[in-house]
Amino acid sequence: AQSVTQPDIHITVSEGASLELRCNYSYGATPYLFWYVQSPGQGLQLLLKYFSGDTLVQGIKGFEAEFKRSQSSFNLRKPSVHWSDAAEYFCAVVLGYGGSQGNLIFGKGTKLSVKP
Amino acid sequence: GAVVSQHPSWVICKSGTSVKIECRSLDFQATTMFWYRQFPKQSLMLMATSNEGSKATYEQGVEKDKFLINHASLTLSTLTVTSAHPEDSSFYICSARDPRTGLSTDTQYFGPGTRLTVL
Repeated sequence: AQSVTQPDIHITVSEGASLELRCNYSYGATPYLFWYVQSPGQGLQLLLKYFSGDTLVQGIKGFEAEFKRSQSSFNLRKPSVHWSDAAEYFCAVVLGYGGSQGNLIFGKGTKLSVKP
Repeated sequence: GAVVSQHPSWVICKSGTSVKIECRSLDFQATTMFWYRQFPKQSLMLMATSNEGSKATYEQGVEKDKFLINHASLTLSTLTVTSAHPEDSSFYICSARDPRTGLSTDTQYFGPGTRLTVL
């Protein structure tokens, strides 16, 4: 069955340090991959997505992610974390494309804490 | 991006009562809306897909008679938790697909969620 795994439940980094959040997927076909951020009181916000083409994807807020087919991974990175980046991050894969419903399958999320 | 609102943001109710949660797309018409449920420290689990003017499609294991979904207009979908019990306490999140953006896969905009507590 298709699944998304985020191995790290909680990560703490210092402000200004680099960040990498891991995501692995299990999906037979070429996946459509997403990273969302969830802040308290706010809806999930799309950070970036990968459909095809360049495997290094740039997103909003200075985030990027790299699709590695050989490792079935789509890790999220940011070179310098800001205190406002503290939130819950979800990796997701969509089942189907085109005329399908495009239902999202989410990982369990990684909570990011930022130390001053 | 497009804005999706939910109301209420939190609700507390007694066991056995019914609760209605509204999901609205504020600046676009959403032909498809989704309802998710999120448990603490868990991922979002899709409950159902709601298409305007037709019956919702429920995921396996979701009781359609308990979680009534109505998508009567292109900007509003409602989820009614009927005869709520403490185990229904959860965080309910809706999303709406914006058909203007073309691809069907990347156009879900999420509401802020509704925290339901059943006593």
